[in-house]
Amino acid sequence: SAVISQKPSRDICQRGTSLTIQCQVDSQVTMMFWYRQQPGQSLTLIATANQGSEATYESGFVIDKFPISRPNLTFSTLTVSNMSPEDSSIYLCSVAWQGMPLFFGQGTRLTVV
Amino acid sequence: DAKTTQPPSMDCAEGRAANLPCNHSTISGNEYVYWYRQIHSQGPQYIIHGLKNNETNEMASLIITEDRKSSTLILPHATLRDTAVYYCIVRVYGGATNKLIFGTGTLLAVQP
Repeated sequence: SAVISQKPSRDICQRGTSLTIQCQVDSQVTMMFWYRQQPGQSLTLIATANQGSEATYESGFVIDKFPISRPNLTFSTLTVSNMSPEDSSIYLCSVAWQGMPLFFGQGTRLTVV
Repeated sequence: DAKTTQPPSMDCAEGRAANLPCNHSTISGNEYVYWYRQIHSQGPQYIIHGLKNNETNEMASLIITEDRKSSTLILPHATLRDTAVYYCIVRVYGGATNKLIFGTGTLLAVQP
């Protein structure tokens, strides 16, 4: 398994502002993913963070709203841009090696007011 | 990836076995069955996965029917700390993306 650290663990933000969430892994991993979990809902995949290239976004998610960086094999960031109350969710980073199951961080609980 | 069907909720008495069912009638031959759980306010936790043989680890057992259209996750001696949402997911093992698509899961409530 891997130790995944997400920062911040929670935040309360004003609408219209942006928040960048960091995900740090203690070992090199092949895959990194970002998920969103809205209140009372299941997890929804936002995008696959690709090392050295643009992220691959799922239907309904766009780069302008959720820019993602992955400069190396152990680190990624997700930015939630121009936030509105509808963006209030838990954002989760997950990682995998080729063929291995996914492991998740503890998430970032975001409240937009 | 194939879709799965799980009951929305189940109860289980503490100390008894919890049997969580999952239907995946459209599963393909190269798709594995994965189980995760999410305890309130925590990130999902990997439990177990299998292709067609029954699997057991320190957390649970996974029973897959011979036709692979359904499976059951068994927690042999449920405790209060096993109260969580349990997700059954089917997907191709490894491959180019390795991503997981989550359904709605089963909320297991372990009762004292």
